[in-house]
Parts: sequence; structure tokens; C-alpha cells
Amino acid sequence: NAGVTQTPKFRVLKTGQSMTLLCAQDMNHEYMYWYRQDPGMGLRLIHYSVGEGTTAKGEVPDGYNVSRLKKQNFLLGLESAAPSQTSVYFCASSPPGLAPHEQFFGPGTRLTVL
Amino acid sequence: SQQGEEDPQALSIQEGENATMNCSYKTSINNLQWYRQNSGRGLVHLILIRSNEREKHSGRLRVTLDTSKKSSSLLITASRAADTASYFCATALSDSSYKLIFGSGTRLLVRP
Repeated sequence: NAGVTQTPKFRVLKTGQSMTLLCAQDMNHEYMYWYRQDPGMGLRLIHYSVGEGTTAKGEVPDGYNVSRLKKQNFLLGLESAAPSQTSVYFCASSPPGLAPHEQFFGPGTRLTVL
Repeated sequence: SQQGEEDPQALSIQEGENATMNCSYKTSINNLQWYRQNSGRGLVHLILIRSNEREKHSGRLRVTLDTSKKSSSLLITASRAADTASYFCATALSDSSYKLIFGSGTRLLVRP
């Protein structure tokens, strides 16, 4: 099993450009998450999904959109990139439960917005 | 400030020594989890302790949880150079079944 994979690994954008980050998991997990990690900080939740066709806002959703058309995929979109969105983006997935289980993380996407 | 805050922010020890990291949080939790992140990599889950548990072991890891003080500690015994990484605590709030709140992490350096 590949676990959680992210595409691309690196990307450089100019201010105003758009892009989509793809996350895929092969563990049949219901829950998926997008986080951003900035230097010296922990992870901040951008958006999450508790099942196919559902999405919800996290702690820092502004400037991002997401879609979960298939259970195994969770897409993160930046419609008009800004320098403040320079960060490392991590996708994670977890099985459902009454309380949060462990999350399985992808390797990350390093995004630079010039 | 964040729900989970680790202390210290950075720790440097000699190989073979024990490393202790602490995490404090503010609100009621369902469980608390510890993750490791090697440089340039994603996070890897280490251990989960539920709110009704006080101590848990996994190999060289020992986690304690004190809900009255809203704090947890992670002890790594007999550290190795390969333990060099950042360690994060993540709290699962009582009112959510899917969200974790991550702290800012402790950077551990184990010198050979």
C-alpha cells in the first residue's frame, strides 16, 4: 500500500496564479484533512472532509477551496495565490470513530508564491 | 495561544540519555496523540493516550497524561541519533470526532 500520496512535491507560483494540490489515499479512510505548516509552527487545519462529497472549513480556510468527489481523493485549490500562502502543505487521512484516531500523513507539498 | 503547547521548544542531548518533552493544553480532550516529524517529511503517529488513561508505553516511548493539570509528557529512553526529529502533541477535543489540534513542537537533537 502506498498510504497517503501528494502531488506535486514542489511548486513555485507567481502571485495571482492558481493551482490544485492532489491527495490520494488507498486505506479506504473516511476522513481526510489538509494542513499547512509554517516555519517553527505546528500544523494548522485548512479544510477537512468526513466522507465522499462532504467538506468543511478548518482553522485557516480563507483563500482555499477543496473537493472530495471520490473517497480516495481530496483536492486543495488555490484560486489566486498570494505570498502569504507560501508554506508546506500536508494531507492526512484517518478512519472514522467516536473520537479522532491516528492520522496518516502524506510527504507534503512545498509551495512558494512569489 | 494554541490548544497544545510543547515545552521545551528545542532540546539537545547526548546519545543514550533520556529525552522528556511536555505538552500543555487548555480544554477538555478525548485523547492526546504524539507525532514525530523528520526533517522534510510528513508526520508519523507515535502513540495515543485516552483521557481515562494515565500512562502508556510503546517500546522506548513512555507517555503520561494528567487531565487535572491538562498536561502530558513524552519520554524517550536511551535516545539514539535516529531519534533526532521534531515531536508534536495533538489534542482531540471532546466535542469533535475528527479534528486534532497540533502544538508547535519540540525540536530534538540527539548528538552521537
